[in-house]
Amino acid sequence: GAVVSQHPSRVICKSGTSVKIECRSLDFQATTMFWYRQFPKQSLMLMATSNEGSKATYEQGVEKDKFLINHASLTLSTLTVTSAHPEDSSFYICSASSLDWNSPLHFGNGTRLTVT
Amino acid sequence: DAKTTQPNSMESNEEEPVHLPCNHSTISGTDYIHWYRQLPSQGPEYVIHGLTSNVNNRMASLAIAEDRKSSTLILHRATLRDAAVYYCILRVPLGNTPLVFGKGTRLSVIA
Repeated sequence: GAVVSQHPSRVICKSGTSVKIECRSLDFQATTMFWYRQFPKQSLMLMATSNEGSKATYEQGVEKDKFLINHASLTLSTLTVTSAHPEDSSFYICSASSLDWNSPLHFGNGTRLTVT
Repeated sequence: DAKTTQPNSMESNEEEPVHLPCNHSTISGTDYIHWYRQLPSQGPEYVIHGLTSNVNNRMASLAIAEDRKSSTLILHRATLRDAAVYYCILRVPLGNTPLVFGKGTRLSVIA
């Protein structure tokens, strides 16, 4: 079945540094990718929607200058957490969608970010 | 987005069937009913989806009420690996629409 690969699975960084998370669709063209954040014991919260070749659309309350999203190809989207702070520590999950609306969304296995 | 309501948690014995309910009284005529599950420390996993008719696949069955205001995910024989949070989500039939997650139902399976 369709697979979405997310890397790294875990990352620890120091406060003030930047971290890049990659999301790849391995066997289909992802015209749209979604980025979610999940805090402990909470549900997934949509951060942004990115379409290949265009700027991402961010949900209300998500800072676009802090969470930089690039979707330069149909198989790769990246999320960069800039100037990370401890409150950015969370589980970040990407999801990919093709143009076939009847196909399910496929999710990466998430990235556990810890900012010290 | 049309909202869904699920019980916070449910418990099942291993190898017994599990019926996970979902209410979606404000569903529109074009909304598909999707079910995903999330195992601990993993991304969500697709389970099943349907529009009006009941659906079966290798993972589960989806029973949809005639008025579409509720649905039930059926796991025919729960295993310990089925312990997860199950999300019932309504999705419009457009390829670039995200899934909006509610709180889901946390299923515990007892050996």
